[in-house]
Amino acid sequence: GAGVSQSPRYKVAKRGQDVALRCDPISGHVSLFWYQQALGQGPEFLTYFQNEAQLDKSGLPSDRFFAERPEGSVSTLKIQRTQQEDSAVYLCASSLVTAEQYFGPGTRLTVT
Amino acid sequence: QKEVEQNSGPLSVPEGAIASLNCTYSDRGSQSFFWYRQYSGKSPELIMSIYSNGDKEDGRFTAQLNKASQYVSLLIRDSQPSDSATYLCAVNRPQGAQKLVFGQGTRLTINP
Repeated sequence: GAGVSQSPRYKVAKRGQDVALRCDPISGHVSLFWYQQALGQGPEFLTYFQNEAQLDKSGLPSDRFFAERPEGSVSTLKIQRTQQEDSAVYLCASSLVTAEQYFGPGTRLTVT
Repeated sequence: QKEVEQNSGPLSVPEGAIASLNCTYSDRGSQSFFWYRQYSGKSPELIMSIYSNGDKEDGRFTAQLNKASQYVSLLIRDSQPSDSATYLCAVNRPQGAQKLVFGQGTRLTINP
């Protein structure tokens, strides 16, 4: 079946612009995660949903970052007033009840 | 001390040899352990999961877990040039839902 999909794959934003990144998880996966990966580093946790409930947002770096999953399927990560330090790859992952997470292709965000 | 530590490499192994990748973690309560493979410019791909002490084999891959020593390893037998990638160790924190904590990854190069 289809894997996790993310869009856009690449996004260039001017500093101060708002961006919205979309994730479509594997069908039937109740858990959805967002991670941020800087160059040369491992992914860092941002936030986690179980169905539509956001159970953990401890990794969101500032109140400029906001995530939602209103119908328990597709999720959107929104970054307001982007800064250069927000430049990274944003990865979405989904899982069933086990801890095994499957990643989408990521969105590479560049803030100029 | 980082929660999950890996030698960043690069680790260079001749084709056909065994590649050995190591990872240590600091949270003694961690229960689930994963190895992801990440090719340059791509997203992490789950290759092994291990939950109990001992060895787990899947094809050319063997994951080893020693909870007393807080140590996880991945062995790749009969290494192929296509195994050249960054290998990420990830640990499931017991308190934080199902979020994963990643090491920074070990870059592996298989030399023909």
